[in-house]
Amino acid sequence: LAKTTQPISMDSYEGQEVNITCSHNNIATNDYITWYQQFPSQGPRFIIQGYKTKVTNEVASLFIPADRKSSTLSLPRVSLSDTAVYYCLVGANNAGNMLTFGGGTRLMVKP
Amino acid sequence: DTAVSQTPKYLVTQMGNDKSIKCEQNLGHDTMYWYKQDSKKFLKIMFSYNNKELIINETVPNRFSPKSPDKAHLNLHINSLELGDSAVYFCASSQDARGGYEQYFGPGTRLTVT
Repeated sequence: LAKTTQPISMDSYEGQEVNITCSHNNIATNDYITWYQQFPSQGPRFIIQGYKTKVTNEVASLFIPADRKSSTLSLPRVSLSDTAVYYCLVGANNAGNMLTFGGGTRLMVKP
Repeated sequence: DTAVSQTPKYLVTQMGNDKSIKCEQNLGHDTMYWYKQDSKKFLKIMFSYNNKELIINETVPNRFSPKSPDKAHLNLHINSLELGDSAVYFCASSQDARGGYEQYFGPGTRLTVT
């Protein structure tokens, strides 16, 4: 069971780069690493997904080392609107209890 | 043009009642899910359907029964509601059940059982 561990909370300031690391020591060969963002009173929203190495899109980058036992979500130049909870999810969509999100990381961006 | 919609958004009811939450997706996805988010913000998978067929059924009380009339809809019926059922319920969909496909979540239904 690929359980994930993330910091409970992080603080940052506008314009800074934020890196959130997720540990997933028991990741399986078929597992993907997916990050979601959730604002209060809304459903989670997909940010980025990767399998290995580095993935970049218009909002974030995802760094995955060769052993895949951890991953780092990088948010460049955060703004106040990036204040949210960020969840790391490891697994495949048909993997049952591997679709349980952890507690997430509560990111607070300050002016 | 909402991708994944749920109704109602809020549901307040008394213990022992039976209630339903409806979910619809207009993305043409094959797979749909129900999640429960508790007060500690943990999101836990409850059920998943792929092309109207149940593929994930986690350990939830059998008072919870999902129904998928077609692949665009996955409704959740709850019998004999209990205080512990109070939570936010999210519906989601993905292109299919394989890895590598992101999930799209609905806005959630906040259920309060009194």
